[in-house]
Amino acid sequence: EDKVVQSPLSLVVHEGDTVTLNCSYEVTNFRSLLWYKQEKKAPTFLFMLTSSGIEKKSGRLSSILDKKELFSILNITATQTGDSAIYLCAVYEETSGSRLTFGEGTQLTVNP
Amino acid sequence: DTEVTQTPKHLVMGMTNKKSLKCEQHMGHRAMYWYKQKAKKPPELMFVYSYEKLSINESVPSRFSPECPNSSLLNLHLHALQPEDSALYLCASSQGWGTGEQFFGPGTRLTVL
Repeated sequence: EDKVVQSPLSLVVHEGDTVTLNCSYEVTNFRSLLWYKQEKKAPTFLFMLTSSGIEKKSGRLSSILDKKELFSILNITATQTGDSAIYLCAVYEETSGSRLTFGEGTQLTVNP
Repeated sequence: DTEVTQTPKHLVMGMTNKKSLKCEQHMGHRAMYWYKQKAKKPPELMFVYSYEKLSINESVPSRFSPECPNSSLLNLHLHALQPEDSALYLCASSQGWGTGEQFFGPGTRLTVL
């Protein structure tokens, strides 16, 4: 069965810390991997990764994909309290139609 | 405009009611999705529409009935729901089915009494 596994499930850090969130996947017909941030309501899009080894960066956030080892990491440097959220990893896989399969998410809490 | 809008924000309904959720996007996206999200769980796909045609129904009970009147609008008609259907219902859209990032709406928080 296809699956997307995130770790850790929860993480508590202090402002200014750097965090690394992990996502491993085991899907047939992989197409791309996406990261989302979810606060109270809708997931907001962060990154989409299709190729191995190419880092995507946006401000203090960055992400990279390893298609050989089937994982991705999301890094957040100099964390702020506003980074507190659930971070969701999702994988597009093509099996009888394209689906986005989500991991369980990592609950990040940044304390002042 | 990278916004997906959903109405209503909150909905409380009895098990015998009929109600509808609405979703709209003006990004020219040709794929639209309904997801259900329970507390502390990731979104679960319910339906996919591609070019206004139903492409995926993830074995959703018939008390949920999707409709795509045009390329910008997506509805979810609800009838005879059960309390366990209470959840956050999210609409999303993407450039095409299975391509590009999916943009999510703010969701409708549904409570079934």
